[in-house]
Amino acid sequence: DTGVSQDPRHKITKRGQNVTFRCDPISEHNRLYWYRQTLGQGPEFLTYFQNEAQLEKSRLLSDRFSAERPKGSFSTLEIQRTEQGDSAMYLCASRPHVSAEAFFGQGTRLTVV
Amino acid sequence: GESVGLHLPTLSVQEGDNSIINCAYSNSASDYFIWYKQESGKGPQFIIDIRSNMDKRQGQRVTVLLNKTVKHLSLQIAATQPGDSAVYFCAENRYGGATNKLIFGTGTLLAVQP
Repeated sequence: DTGVSQDPRHKITKRGQNVTFRCDPISEHNRLYWYRQTLGQGPEFLTYFQNEAQLEKSRLLSDRFSAERPKGSFSTLEIQRTEQGDSAMYLCASRPHVSAEAFFGQGTRLTVV
Repeated sequence: GESVGLHLPTLSVQEGDNSIINCAYSNSASDYFIWYKQESGKGPQFIIDIRSNMDKRQGQRVTVLLNKTVKHLSLQIAATQPGDSAVYFCAENRYGGATNKLIFGTGTLLAVQP
C-alpha cells in the first residue's frame, strides 16, 4: 500500500452540476477524514468516519454535501448543485488510531466555473 | 470553519541558517500535536509529532518544542535547505464525544533563499 489515494486529482465543473470524489485510505486504517482547503488557509475539517460509521460532520457540510464509507474501506464525497464557493482542494486523510499521525492524500482540486 | 487564519505569515531565511516556526493552539485538553509540511499542489506531509506529556522531541534536522502553559508549539529546522521551502502547519488532536480530529492552525510559508 503506497498511501492514501484520491481520485480525480483535478475536476472542473459547471455551476449546478454534481461531482463525486473518491478516497482510498491506507488499508489497515479504520479512521478516515475529509478536509477542505482554500488558498492561504489550513485544512478545515469536514467529516470523520470510524469504519463505516460517520461519527461527525462539520457545520461546513451543508445539505448539498454527502459522504459515505459503505464498507469501511474507500469513501466518497459528493457535492450536489455545485456553487463557485465550493472551489477548493478536498483532502482525504486516514489514521490507524486516535493518537497517531494522519496520512493525507494528494487531494482533489475542484474548480466550479 | 475550524481552521483559523486568513493571512499566511512568511518566514524568509538564508540557506544553511536555522528556522523557527511558531504556532499557538487553542484547546488545553489537546494531548497530541503534529507538524505538517505542504508543498504547492500536494497534500500535507508529516514531519514530526509530540504528545502532551513531553516538552521536546527531536527528529532528523527538526525539533518540536511544546509549552503547555502558554499553549504554544514551535518547529525548529536546522541548516535549512531549499527543499524545506513550503507551507508548515501545526495541528492539534481534538476530542469531542465519540470523535477525534486534527484541527489545523494558520500556516507559515517558509522561503529559503539560496
